[in-house]
Amino acid sequence: EPEVTQTPSHQVTQMGQEVILRCVPISNHLYFYWYRQILGQKVEFLVSFYNNEISEKSEIFDDQFSVERPDGSNFTLKIRSTKLEDSAMYFCASGWGSSYNEQFFGPGTRLTVL
Amino acid sequence: AQKVTQAQTEISVVEKEDVTLDCVYETRDTTYYLFWYKQPPSGELVFLIRRNSFDEQNEISGRYSWNFQKSTSSFNFTITASQVVDSAVYFCALSDTNTGNQFYFGTGTSLTVIP
Repeated sequence: EPEVTQTPSHQVTQMGQEVILRCVPISNHLYFYWYRQILGQKVEFLVSFYNNEISEKSEIFDDQFSVERPDGSNFTLKIRSTKLEDSAMYFCASGWGSSYNEQFFGPGTRLTVL
Repeated sequence: AQKVTQAQTEISVVEKEDVTLDCVYETRDTTYYLFWYKQPPSGELVFLIRRNSFDEQNEISGRYSWNFQKSTSSFNFTITASQVVDSAVYFCALSDTNTGNQFYFGTGTSLTVIP
């Protein structure tokens, strides 16, 4: 059964460093998403991506964040200069259509900023 | 505004007991979708169910059942004969035409099933 994959599973970085979180969505999906879950809190939407551009983003997704689909398979989230409060689990998700279809979530990348 | 409320932060039950997880949502849209996800200790999000606003039929899948009531804006989730493997955090989520592509998640209910 196809699934969304994410690498790495755990990333530790120093404050101020750039990190790139990688995701491989399910191959025939057209919509891609990033969500964030701070430890013990709810899952929060960051950004959605369709047709090679951002279709929607939340207030959390400020200029420090960027997304890219550099090739036909990967979908990346870059945090330019990490802050302590960026420590969280980051989930990638993909889907066939809009919000009306379920989004398939990857296993997450746990980011720890020291 | 869209909002999902899961008032139960933590629930503990003894194995084989039934348990109901509550979810109350707010939306101005007539077209929307509701979801439940399970997050086991390993951290991944496991899709359980999607329900659209036009389908109020209750659904049963094995030991899981869902009760969707538009009149009370609730989408509750019941696990019958709970098992230790059901221990996890359960999230309810909403998406509608106003949210576009994003899901609004509730704060989750942490379920512990005691053997």
